[in-house]
Amino acid sequence: AQSVTQPDIHITVSEGASLELRCNYSYGATPYLFWYVQSPGQGLQLLLKYFSGDTLVQGIKGFEAEFKRSQSSFNLRKPSVHWSDAAEYFCAVGENSGNTPLVFGKGTRLSVIA
Amino acid sequence: EAQVTQNPRYLITVTGKKLTVTCSQNMNHEYMSWYRQDPGLGLRQIYYSMNVEVTDKGDVPEGYKVSRKEKRNFPLILESPSPNQTSLYFCASSLGTSGYSTDTQYFGPGTRLTVL
Repeated sequence: AQSVTQPDIHITVSEGASLELRCNYSYGATPYLFWYVQSPGQGLQLLLKYFSGDTLVQGIKGFEAEFKRSQSSFNLRKPSVHWSDAAEYFCAVGENSGNTPLVFGKGTRLSVIA
Repeated sequence: EAQVTQNPRYLITVTGKKLTVTCSQNMNHEYMSWYRQDPGLGLRQIYYSMNVEVTDKGDVPEGYKVSRKEKRNFPLILESPSPNQTSLYFCASSLGTSGYSTDTQYFGPGTRLTVL
């Protein structure tokens, strides 16, 4: 079965600084990978997803993620963080058979300071 | 507007008093699911449904029931709530046509439940 690890529980960055959130997955075949964001008091919203093709994926709100098969990673990046990016971020993995539920990581909480 | 709605948004109840949290989507999605979110544990799936009258257990189904009599609705039922079911609950839906773990999931705003 697939699994997801987000090694960082909480990260604090300064506004305008770059950001990288780590995600490692475990799955034997090619995974379907997602990043979701949960703003305070709200449900989760999809930021971006990777199925195949170009390993650098662009998402909404200026985020991107890079799939690295050799490292089993799908790290989320943003070159310049805004205060509104403060939220909880979840990485998730799905199977390419498509008939088993999505598995979420435990999340990384991002704080942004002035 | 395409959305997933949940009601109530906040609920405080007492141990043993049956409750239902409703979930409705207006996107004609086949797949719906319920998650609970707890600090340090992330999202854990409670139940999911691939279509009307088809439901299955997720990772933490104990103490919960669901039903899917109509495509748009997927209520979560706690027959006898206990304090360990105090949590933040999310309903989600997705198209379900290309695979239940590959489609984008759309989440409701959450229901914060406290069981005293």
